Amino acid sequence: GAVVSQHPSRVICKSGTSVKIECRSLDFQATTMFWYRQFPKKSLMLMATSNEGSKATYEQGVEKDKFLINHASLTLSTLTVTSAHPEDSSFYICSAGVGFAEKLFFGSGTQLSVL
Amino acid sequence: TQLLEQSPQFLSIQEGENLTVYCNSSSVFSSLQWYRQEPGEGPVLLVTVVTGGEVKKLKRLTFQFGDARKDSSLHITAAQTGDTGLYLCAGVKETSGSRLTFGEGTQLTVNP
Repeated sequence: GAVVSQHPSRVICKSGTSVKIECRSLDFQATTMFWYRQFPKKSLMLMATSNEGSKATYEQGVEKDKFLINHASLTLSTLTVTSAHPEDSSFYICSAGVGFAEKLFFGSGTQLSVL
Repeated sequence: TQLLEQSPQFLSIQEGENLTVYCNSSSVFSSLQWYRQEPGEGPVLLVTVVTGGEVKKLKRLTFQFGDARKDSSLHITAAQTGDTGLYLCAGVKETSGSRLTFGEGTQLTVNP
């Protein structure tokens, strides 16, 4: 099946720094990529939808200036957590798809820990 | 209000027992998916159901999509310790393109 590569898998940073997470579709072109946040043993919460070449659509309650999303090509989307704080510590997951949800593939996630 | 109500949220059973996880909604979905996720990993797709009343089997797992396409269930027969994980249902509404809405998840623990 299709592969979505997400990295880094784990990052530890100091409070106030910015962290960039990459999501790449390795063997297909993804018209849409999604970014989720997940707390331990909880479900995925959709943060934003990014479409190649256009601005991301953020879910209600997600600060777009805090979580910057760039989808510059059909194979790469990035999520930058700006001025990270301990409350931003979480597991972030991306997914990439073509057309319908039946062809949606998930990355392996990034565990962010902000000290 | 959660769009997809998943139950139970936690389930701890002994190896060999059967179990059922439910996913319910008042909304109609064009398709519904079930995922299994292990700690520190992304969700892995188990199955997609698209037709009302559809039943799909994957070894000891049986998935059902309700006739009205508002609910689904996952039944595991003779659970094994390797079935332990977080099970997530996720639906696509007819008007939302490929945007998935996830249920709250069911944390399954199968004890030896």
